[in-house]
Amino acid sequence: GAVVSQHPSRVICKSGTSVKIECRSLDFQATTMFWYRQFPKQSLMLMATSNEGSKATYEQGVEKDKFLINHASLTLSTLTVTSAHPEDSSFYICSARDPGRAYEQYFGPGTRLTVT
Amino acid sequence: AQTVTQSQPEMSVQEAETVTLSCTYDTSESDYYLFWYKQPPSRQMILVIRQEAYKQQNATENRFSVNFQKAAKSFSLKISDSQLGDAAMYFCAYERIQGAQKLVFGQGTRLTINP
Repeated sequence: GAVVSQHPSRVICKSGTSVKIECRSLDFQATTMFWYRQFPKQSLMLMATSNEGSKATYEQGVEKDKFLINHASLTLSTLTVTSAHPEDSSFYICSARDPGRAYEQYFGPGTRLTVT
Repeated sequence: AQTVTQSQPEMSVQEAETVTLSCTYDTSESDYYLFWYKQPPSRQMILVIRQEAYKQQNATENRFSVNFQKAAKSFSLKISDSQLGDAAMYFCAYERIQGAQKLVFGQGTRLTINP
């Protein structure tokens, strides 16, 4: 089956610094990737939709200047949390859509971000 | 906007028994997809089953089946012969077909399997 990886799986950073999370589709080309945020014991909240070669579409209430998304290739999307604050600590999950398998998203294993 | 509601925060079932998880949704669309995802303690999201709204027949995947009631906007998941490995958070999700295709998740139901 289709595989999506995320790196790093865990990251700790100091308040005020930036951190980058990578999402890769390993065995297919993903024209569309999605970034989610999940707080403890809560559901997934879509942050943005990333299309290769174009600007990401952010959901209402998500600060695009704080959460920078780049989808530079068909297999890689990155999420950069800029000027991180403790309230940005969360579990971030990406997913990718395989055009060859209509209407199915494949999820990465997630990245736990802790801002101290 | 579409919404998905899971009214059971927690459910438990005896091993080998059957359990049904509830999900309702709200949409004005006629064509859409519905999904059940499983999130075990590893936090990896796993697709359990998918239903196309234009199909009347309920989807089935081995021990997992759905009861799709389009008019009632209800989409429940039945797990038969529950196994210890079924313990997880289960999320119901909706995706429209036309326009912006993105998943809308319910709040989740935590399923515990009692040995």
